[in-house]
Amino acid sequence: NAGVMQNPRHLVRRRGQEARLRCSPMKGHSHVYWYRQLPEEGLKFMVYLQKENIIDESGMPKERFSAEFPKEGPSILRIQQVVRGDSAAYFCASSPYQDQPQHFGDGTRLSIL
Amino acid sequence: GENVEQHPSTLSVQEGDSAVIKCTYSDSASNYFPWYKQELGKRPQLIIDIRSNVGEKKDQRIAVTLNKTAKHFSLHITETQPEDSAVYFCAASISNFGNEKLTFGTGTRLTIIP
Repeated sequence: NAGVMQNPRHLVRRRGQEARLRCSPMKGHSHVYWYRQLPEEGLKFMVYLQKENIIDESGMPKERFSAEFPKEGPSILRIQQVVRGDSAAYFCASSPYQDQPQHFGDGTRLSIL
Repeated sequence: GENVEQHPSTLSVQEGDSAVIKCTYSDSASNYFPWYKQELGKRPQLIIDIRSNVGEKKDQRIAVTLNKTAKHFSLHITETQPEDSAVYFCAASISNFGNEKLTFGTGTRLTIIP
């Protein structure tokens, strides 16, 4: 059973460009969570999604950030007009049901030039 | 919202000795407490978790204890080995349909000295 798959592993963008991060949950998992990790810090919750629904987006910045988890295909975290402060590792986790442990992917390391 | 504090931030232990990492949480409604191990550049890996209806859980050399009254929980690693060197994160959540977001501590960098 393949684990949570994230791509790309590394992404470099210039200020003002858009970044798209993809996450395919483990097989049989329909709950996806996105977290951000700054260097030498813990993970911060961003958003929790089920298929076609955003359940909790309380950790998402109000502007430039959006997330989706369509019926078909991976979950996408989209950052528009990136700024230097967006540089971080973005991790996706998935679980089969609510109230089940979350398993993480390898993350996408976003660097903004 | 929930706040999780973790201590110590760094810990060096002689190989074979025990390591203890402690976390406190603020929201008494929190009922699920996982621990993750993260090696440099790798994904956080779930190593053990505990729910609030249990006071202690053990898995080989790893154990977690929970004190709901004091709102703190601890990770215990016995007979430490070099491969235990990593950053360990505690987390807490109110596992309650729609409320599963994890609030993480700031991490403990554990170094096992051979």
